[in-house]
Amino acid sequence: DAKTTQPPSMDCAEGRAANLPCNHSTISGNEYVYWYRQIHSQGPQYIIHGLKNNETNEMASLIITEDRKSSTLILPHATLRDTAVYYCIVRKVYGGATNKLIFGTGTLLAVQP
Amino acid sequence: EAQVTQNPRYLITVTGKKLTVTCSQNMNHEYMSWYRQDPGLGLRQIYYSMNVEVTDKGDVPEGYKVSRKEKRNFPLILESPSPNQTSLYFCASSFQSGVAYNEQFFGPGTRLTVL
Repeated sequence: DAKTTQPPSMDCAEGRAANLPCNHSTISGNEYVYWYRQIHSQGPQYIIHGLKNNETNEMASLIITEDRKSSTLILPHATLRDTAVYYCIVRKVYGGATNKLIFGTGTLLAVQP
Repeated sequence: EAQVTQNPRYLITVTGKKLTVTCSQNMNHEYMSWYRQDPGLGLRQIYYSMNVEVTDKGDVPEGYKVSRKEKRNFPLILESPSPNQTSLYFCASSFQSGVAYNEQFFGPGTRLTVL
C-alpha cells in the first residue's frame, strides 16, 4: 500500500471549516484513499473513502486531486468534539488476506473555542 | 446498535498470569482483527480472522493467541503476559476481506498494564 504524508498538527477555530491535507504521491490506480480518526485513546472511527471523485457524507467531504497524488479531508463546521488524530490511509480496493489498516502518525486536529 | 465491545476496558496484572480480553461484534461480520497501539509505533496488527475457525498471524503475534469458535467472538489470550505487552488493545471487525469498501469498526479499547 502507498505511503502517506500528513502534517503532524493543525488548529482550527470552532465553527470554521477544517481542511486536512494528505500527500500520497505513490498511489496506484487500484488504491483508495480512506480517512479514519481517533478521539483520544478511543477506537479509530471510519470517516470517508474515495477513489478519484470527490465524496461527501454526513461527516465530511473528501477532495482528491486529478492526479490523485494528494487529497484533502474537509470538516465543514468543526466542533470541539472533532478534536482528534486524523489518519489518511491508502490501500487497495481489496483489503488482501490480512485486511489490515496501516495507520501512520496522522494529524492532530485541535479545534479551538 | 451496531458495535464492537471489549472487556475488560482496563486491566492491571502481573507477569505470567494468564489473561483473556474478550471481543464481540453484533454486525455479523466475517472478518475480525486485533491491534495494539503504542506511543510512537502506531497501531499494529496482532492477529486476524477471516471467518470461524480461520485465524492467522499479523505483524506482532508473539506472546498472543486467539480463537474464533463463533462468528461474533474473537478473544485475545495472553498465556504468560510480560511487561512489554503493556499497551492499548483494539479489536476491529468488518465484512469479509476481498470486498471493496470494507469499513472497519473498532471497539473502545482495552488498556492493559503488566507489572
